[in-house]
Parts: sequence; structure tokens; C-alpha cells
Amino acid sequence: DAGVIQSPRHEVTEMGQEVTLRCKPISGHDYLFWYRQTMMRGLELLIYFNNNVPIDDSGMPEDRFSAKMPNASFSTLKIQPSEPRDSAVYFCASSPGGGRFNYGYTFGSGTRLTVV
Amino acid sequence: GESVGLHLPTLSVQEGDNSIINCAYSNSASDYFIWYKQESGKGPQFIIDIRSNMDKRQGQRVTVLLNKTVKHLSLQIAATQPGDSAVYFCAEKRVTSYGKLTFGQGTILTVHP
Repeated sequence: DAGVIQSPRHEVTEMGQEVTLRCKPISGHDYLFWYRQTMMRGLELLIYFNNNVPIDDSGMPEDRFSAKMPNASFSTLKIQPSEPRDSAVYFCASSPGGGRFNYGYTFGSGTRLTVV
Repeated sequence: GESVGLHLPTLSVQEGDNSIINCAYSNSASDYFIWYKQESGKGPQFIIDIRSNMDKRQGQRVTVLLNKTVKHLSLQIAATQPGDSAVYFCAEKRVTSYGKLTFGQGTILTVHP
């Protein structure tokens, strides 16, 4: 299994531009999570999906952020317009679910976003 | 004043020593706990988990202890190696959280050769 695959690994963009981060979860996993990690705030949950349906998006900072999961094998996190304070490492994770103790996440390698 | 960032707990040990990393959790309804290791430039990796009906679980060189009375979790690493240097996160699943884990802030472990 290739694990959770994120792209791109690094993204540098100018303020005001649209940024799209991509994630392919592990096949068969029912849950998908988007996290943001910064030195200031640590690891923050932005949004998560169960069977492609958004369950909790209360961590999404503002309307500039949106996430979709059109099918079980693909999700995107979009920032439009981007701002320098969005600079962070964005992680995608997936987990099997399906049982009370089957919630260990597998994380992707992350996308390091720099907005200048 | 303005925050200058998280001040993570740090632990420095010599190679070969045993390490103990601690974590306090707040929700007595949490029923599942996991330790993750995050190396520089990588995503967090699963190390070991434990259910709330257990007090102890052992893996390869790692042991997790759970004390539900004081809501405390610890990770013990035996014969610590330089490759163990990383940030370690505890995570808890609350019964009501429907699949979501709540992560602690993390502890920085540095192993000196």
C-alpha cells in the first residue's frame, strides 16, 4: 500500500492566488482528515469526512478555505485567495473507522505551503 | 502580549537510556489512545495504541501505560536511539467524537549519541 498520498510536496505562491492541495487516502479507509501544522498553533484539525461526507468543518479558518471529497479516493483543500498567514504544513490523514477501536490515522507526508 | 509560538515540553536523553514521555488528557469519556512520532519534515507516524480497558500495552521497545484515575498516559522507550529523536504526540478518541482524534501539543525528544 502506498499510504496516504499528498501533492504537491511544496507550494510557493503569491498572496491573492488560489492554492489547491490534493490528497489520495488509503483505499478502503472511511475517514479523511485535513490538518494544518504551524509553530504558533501546533496541529489543528480543519475538516474531516466520513464516506465522502463532511462531518465537521468547524476548524476551517474562514470562507477562504474550502474542502471537497468527490469520491472515496480523492480530496482537495482549496484556499482562495491565499494570504501569508496561511503558510503552514498541511497534512491529510485517513483512517479505517468501522469499529470502536479502529481509528488510528495514517498521515500523508504533508504539503508545505508558503505564501509570499 | 503576543504569542511567540508553542512551548513544547522537551526531553533530552543519552543514547541507551530509557525515555518516558508523559501526556495528560482531560476527558474521562475517552476510550482509545494513540502515540504518534513525527520526525522532521514528515507526517506523524503511528507508534502504539491502547484501549481504555487496558492499563499497559507493549510493542517493540515501546510501552504505553494508561492511568485512568488521574487521566494520564505515558510512553516508555527502552534503549533510546538517535533515530528516536522526534516530536511525540498523544491522541485520544472520545466516545462522542465519531472517529475524530484529539491531539496533544507534543513533546520534543532529543537523543544524544
